[in-house]
Amino acid sequence: DTGVSQNPRHKITKRGQNVTFRCDPISEHNRLYWYRQTLGQGPEFLTYFQNEAQLEKSRLLSDRFSAERPKGSFSTLEIQRTEQGDSAMYLCASSLAGTKNQETQYFGPGTRLLVL
Amino acid sequence: LAKTTQPISMDSYEGQEVNITCSHNNIATNDYITWYQQFPSQGPRFIIQGYKTKVTNEVASLFIPADRKSSTLSLPRVSLSDTAVYYCLVGGMFSGGYNKLIFGAGTRLAVHP
Repeated sequence: DTGVSQNPRHKITKRGQNVTFRCDPISEHNRLYWYRQTLGQGPEFLTYFQNEAQLEKSRLLSDRFSAERPKGSFSTLEIQRTEQGDSAMYLCASSLAGTKNQETQYFGPGTRLLVL
Repeated sequence: LAKTTQPISMDSYEGQEVNITCSHNNIATNDYITWYQQFPSQGPRFIIQGYKTKVTNEVASLFIPADRKSSTLSLPRVSLSDTAVYYCLVGGMFSGGYNKLIFGAGTRLAVHP
């Protein structure tokens, strides 16, 4: 499968614990996005990487959240001191920047986080 | 970023054609229109993207009138497996050179036997 992959698919943790999610984008895609989706809502933008550089972070991304993309390949999203409000589906998407305006983001299956 | 308006829900029956219309009155000149499909507990799946007139692929057709203030996703002969949430988004490259997608609540399509 050459699509976007995310691990783990599900994570249950206790409040206050740290969790880390991984995203492997489509090979050679230079752009990587993280989104968060709560039940009944559409995904919300969290952060964006162009290669290894993190170029924007949403205000939704509190200081407990950190994302990295070393070497411009896979990315990790870490949540420290988790809270019940962090329970959501965390989605990763990747795209290949082109010379035209058109860009298509391809999403992974997501990591569903439940904080007890 | 342009906002979109689409019906909250739609019902259809197997074998029928389904048309979901999306309004985007404030679409910018460099914006493309993109539709995604999402099943429960899965990530959004890209369906189709267009700029103007008509685009067709193996899954759907996208109709965009000349003023581009709306678009219609057409799903031919739906089956039960097409039951999902469909999102309409508009966007393009901004001065920052990337495109953060802004999703609305989408249209929940229910296909009945």
